[in-house]
Amino acid sequence: NAGVTQTPKFQVLKTGQSMTLQCAQDMNHNSMYWYRQDPGMGLRLIYYSASEGTTDKGEVPNGYNVSRLNKREFSLRLESAAPSQTSVYFCASSDRGPAEAFFGQGTRLTVV
Amino acid sequence: QKEVEQDPGPLSVPEGAIVSLNCTYSNSAFQYFMWYRQYSRKGPELLMYTYSSGNKEDGRFTAQVDKSSKYISLFIRDSQPSDSATYLCAMSAGGSYIPTFGRGTSLIVHP
Repeated sequence: NAGVTQTPKFQVLKTGQSMTLQCAQDMNHNSMYWYRQDPGMGLRLIYYSASEGTTDKGEVPNGYNVSRLNKREFSLRLESAAPSQTSVYFCASSDRGPAEAFFGQGTRLTVV
Repeated sequence: QKEVEQDPGPLSVPEGAIVSLNCTYSNSAFQYFMWYRQYSRKGPELLMYTYSSGNKEDGRFTAQVDKSSKYISLFIRDSQPSDSATYLCAMSAGGSYIPTFGRGTSLIVHP
């Protein structure tokens, strides 16, 4: 079972460049999330989608946009990357019931 | 102040020790309490999940929730070097179910 798949696994961007992080889940989950993880900061929620067709801001949404393309896919876009966006990005999904989130393997992004 | 507080450690223990990991929280609406384990350069994986107060045991792992004190714990008995990882607590309220995470505690179990 693939679970939650993120692409790419690694990326280096120059300041001002744009890119899209892709996430797909095969568990038929309604809810999907994007988190960033920084040393000493834990996991912080960027955006989430409670169901297909809806998206909402999390704790740290500035500089990001998201698209819930269909029930399986939830993408995160950086329009103009900044060094402060250097981080490890995790996509997760869960049922709408108890919050048992399943995570992807992460995307390590460096902005220089 | 963050909604969920967790000491980042590191916590270093000898093999076979009993490990206690803890989190405190401030949001009374939290009803679901989870512990995730994250190995280096991997995504978090769910270890234990508890609804409301009480204890839950799974093999060498025991999760405790004390809602009156807003305090949760994860105990690991007979710790092994393979338990070396970062342990993140997470909590959510009914309705949105969005997990809020602690910062994670780094655990090192040395042989």
